Amino acid sequence: NAGVTQTPKFQVLKTGQSMTLQCAQDMNHNSMYWYRQDPGMGLRLIYYSASEGTTDKGEVPNGYNVSRLNKREFSLRLESAAPSQTSVYFCATPRGSYNEQFFGPGTRLTVL
Amino acid sequence: GQQVMQIPQYQHVQEGEDFTTYCNSSTTLSNIQWYKQRPGGHPVFLIQLVKSGEVKKQKRLTFQFGEAKKNSSLHITATQTTDVGTYFCAGPGNYGQNFVFGPGTRLSVLP
Repeated sequence: NAGVTQTPKFQVLKTGQSMTLQCAQDMNHNSMYWYRQDPGMGLRLIYYSASEGTTDKGEVPNGYNVSRLNKREFSLRLESAAPSQTSVYFCATPRGSYNEQFFGPGTRLTVL
Repeated sequence: GQQVMQIPQYQHVQEGEDFTTYCNSSTTLSNIQWYKQRPGGHPVFLIQLVKSGEVKKQKRLTFQFGEAKKNSSLHITATQTTDVGTYFCAGPGNYGQNFVFGPGTRLSVLP
């Protein structure tokens, strides 16, 4: 998926462990987003960053923190993972005249 | 807050049959977008509708925006196995330039 990369692709954690999901875009975009996808619930916005140095809460921010390290990178951190955070996490950036969401390949996280 | 609903949740069709998914919003939308997600993949933008009553076509796919701009539909004519995936509608959100996604309709096509 040219433009937005995410690491890792898969991760298994135990309850209470911490980890950081990485996202980088080479499209020189200001805005970046973190969504989580759960069965039957679509994609829900966790956090977003409208520009380098700014971050804001989205719809479901509890249990997460983010860092906009520079214009390219936007990371999502789980300080103490819980089974309810088992999900697929997508990073995205708006693109084009319609601001359509351009997604990275995703990180599939399981918390045991 | 804004909610976007979709029906059905799942649809199984025989190859060659038609398929329709419906999207409803709790609020009037300035525009609506549709995405397709292949199994194991990420959502990919298909189209945006802006005008009341607008109809757009992409080959076998027909997208429609309701007159009241609160509902939309995606119709696929003569489905093929390449149509397999989950189709999401999405309306503008309240956080920057994000979109609020419906729960999606998962389409299975039996050969």
